[in-house]
Amino acid sequence: DTAVSQTPKYLVTQMGNDKSIKCEQNLGHDTMYWYKQDSKKFLKIMFSYNNKELIINETVPNRFSPKSPDKAHLNLHINSLELGDSAVYFCASSHWRSTNEKLFFGSGTQLSVL
Amino acid sequence: DQQVKQNSPSLSVQEGRISILNCDYTNSMFDYFLWYKKYPAEGPTFLISISSIKDKNEDGRFTVFLNKSAKHLSLHIVPSQPGDSAVYFCAASRGEGGSEKLVFGKGTKLTVNP
Repeated sequence: DTAVSQTPKYLVTQMGNDKSIKCEQNLGHDTMYWYKQDSKKFLKIMFSYNNKELIINETVPNRFSPKSPDKAHLNLHINSLELGDSAVYFCASSHWRSTNEKLFFGSGTQLSVL
Repeated sequence: DQQVKQNSPSLSVQEGRISILNCDYTNSMFDYFLWYKKYPAEGPTFLISISSIKDKNEDGRFTVFLNKSAKHLSLHIVPSQPGDSAVYFCAASRGEGGSEKLVFGKGTKLTVNP
């Protein structure tokens, strides 16, 4: 049983397209996140949702729109994809206000924009 | 704005020897530090953490040392095993509660040779 699962694992697309990445967790967590690992290898938080409410929205272009239909799902929709969006995107989940080691990551989605 | 720095992109050690991974931080407000381990094609998984009120935390073969005055922490793995070969991310946050503001370093790729 995968705790945090995200699909697709790989995504290759053309500039200007719109794409979505889905994430689901079966851990009963109430908080979910999207992280981006860019070409420089930094792992940076993009969004955080707690009980379907947006908690953190770092400086991310508004072409990125997260959607949380329920506590177990956090999807990421990206409009008008650009070359610079190529990165690995990780979904994660935790209990709100838990100690930090309770952050569980998915296996990542490698997005390549051509 | 690299608040968490891992200046060694890679490290290679022999099986059975000690592995020492280093991490420096610049934000004096950080008071909780973590190490995550990442295998290829998988998401990061929590390894060990330390609060700023301590200078050492040990868990089996893994020990994390914190030097607050130097804003430096290190992860020691003794003895190193081939299965330890992975990318190790250092991360920091303000406050133990809440995973929403973890700041990650770029990671150090550890290779343990048999």
